[in-house]
Amino acid sequence: TQLLEQSPQFLSIQEGENLTVYCNSSSVFSSLQWYRQEPGEGPVLLVTVVTGGEVKKLKRLTFQFGDARKDSSLHITAAQPGDTGLYLCAGASGGSYIPTFGRGTSLIVHP
Amino acid sequence: EPEVTQTPSHQVTQMGQEVILRCVPISNHLYFYWYRQILGQKVEFLVSFYNNEISEKSEIFDDQFSVERPDGSNFTLKIRSTKLEDSAMYFCASSEVDSMNTEAFFGQGTRLTVV
Repeated sequence: TQLLEQSPQFLSIQEGENLTVYCNSSSVFSSLQWYRQEPGEGPVLLVTVVTGGEVKKLKRLTFQFGDARKDSSLHITAAQPGDTGLYLCAGASGGSYIPTFGRGTSLIVHP
Repeated sequence: EPEVTQTPSHQVTQMGQEVILRCVPISNHLYFYWYRQILGQKVEFLVSFYNNEISEKSEIFDDQFSVERPDGSNFTLKIRSTKLEDSAMYFCASSEVDSMNTEAFFGQGTRLTVV
């Protein structure tokens, strides 16, 4: 079973700061997804990356898939309190569609 | 905007009892999923369901669990003889095609507490 390690586990920053969170694995993924989850709610998909080296932007969020498709990063520019939440990465590999989730990075953005 | 709905939002049950968690997926979606999230831990895949049968399941999804699509709209997860360690948030999700190729929409979850 592939293991997805997310770092940091917790992040507390001030509004306006930039941040990067990471998702790493020893496995090669056919695709990788980033979700955001707020307390008491289900995960909401932010993006899916498929191609090694792929970069996708979603407003102030930039997602990158590693060249070897084993890791990914999420960069947030000028964080806002509304970005507060748990950021989860999930990936499938080996021809399986069973997605494995990381533990997530819990982000708090203070006004 | 279409959404996945789950009921109940919170279920408290005694150990050994059976529970049924209900989900109404988005109407034109074909793939359905159950996940669970134990407090403070990862979101874990339980089972996927397509064309009225299980397409994949994880090692967590043992004989204690079953899924059913009893009619054209509901998708249920049954847990027989609940254990304390079954306490978790259970999320239902659905997608038009397999979840790793397109967006899977998650419900708000059912918080199951086994006492």
